[in-house]
Amino acid sequence: QQPVQSPQAVILREGEDAVINCSSSKALYSVHWYRQKHGEAPVFLMILLKGGEQKGHEKISASFNEKKQQSSLYLTASQLSYSGTYFCGSLVYGGSQGNLIFGKGTKLSVKP
Amino acid sequence: DAGVIQSPRHEVTEMGQEVTLRCKPISGHNSLFWYRQTMMRGLELLIYFNNNVPIDDSGMPEDRFSAKMPNASFSTLKIQPSEPRDSAVYFCASSETGMGRQYFGPGTRLTVT
Repeated sequence: QQPVQSPQAVILREGEDAVINCSSSKALYSVHWYRQKHGEAPVFLMILLKGGEQKGHEKISASFNEKKQQSSLYLTASQLSYSGTYFCGSLVYGGSQGNLIFGKGTKLSVKP
Repeated sequence: DAGVIQSPRHEVTEMGQEVTLRCKPISGHNSLFWYRQTMMRGLELLIYFNNNVPIDDSGMPEDRFSAKMPNASFSTLKIQPSEPRDSAVYFCASSETGMGRQYFGPGTRLTVT
């Protein structure tokens, strides 16, 4: 039931782009994205509620394909501050309302 | 707003001792979540409250773990007796609704020796 994230880790140079994928074996009601820096708490980035919906935060955007039960996070022109671990959390149809299940995370390192 | 407040920030205890973690959610939020984070298992939901009522405790590992929310501004997570495998960072989070954005507290790093 845990969503699968890929890749597990990625290293970028400043200014490069990256895509993080999150897929579920169950029908998704919504997808949350959070970023966690080392030693800190996860911080909310965005929620996606509809199929095909896209949202943005800084130069970070995401899409949600309800049919394919997957979401992708797009990081454009990465900055040093983007470094951290990115988690997707899924709310599935039929699950209890607050039962957000997180993937194992994707560790992103942005180098100068 | 002070955000979600957790105490203590660090706890070191010996196996067999009782541990109580505390959380104060953001005022006005009616949903509260307890998570556990380890390298091996990642970020796991332990229990979720809505309007002070436990809605889903399927993630509570075993009877040694218990959680309460006596009022809208306070929750506790208790482990009795504690074991070394309980060592982890425990986060409390709150949100306006069960399905909305969650605000995480700074976490409590628990070490059981």
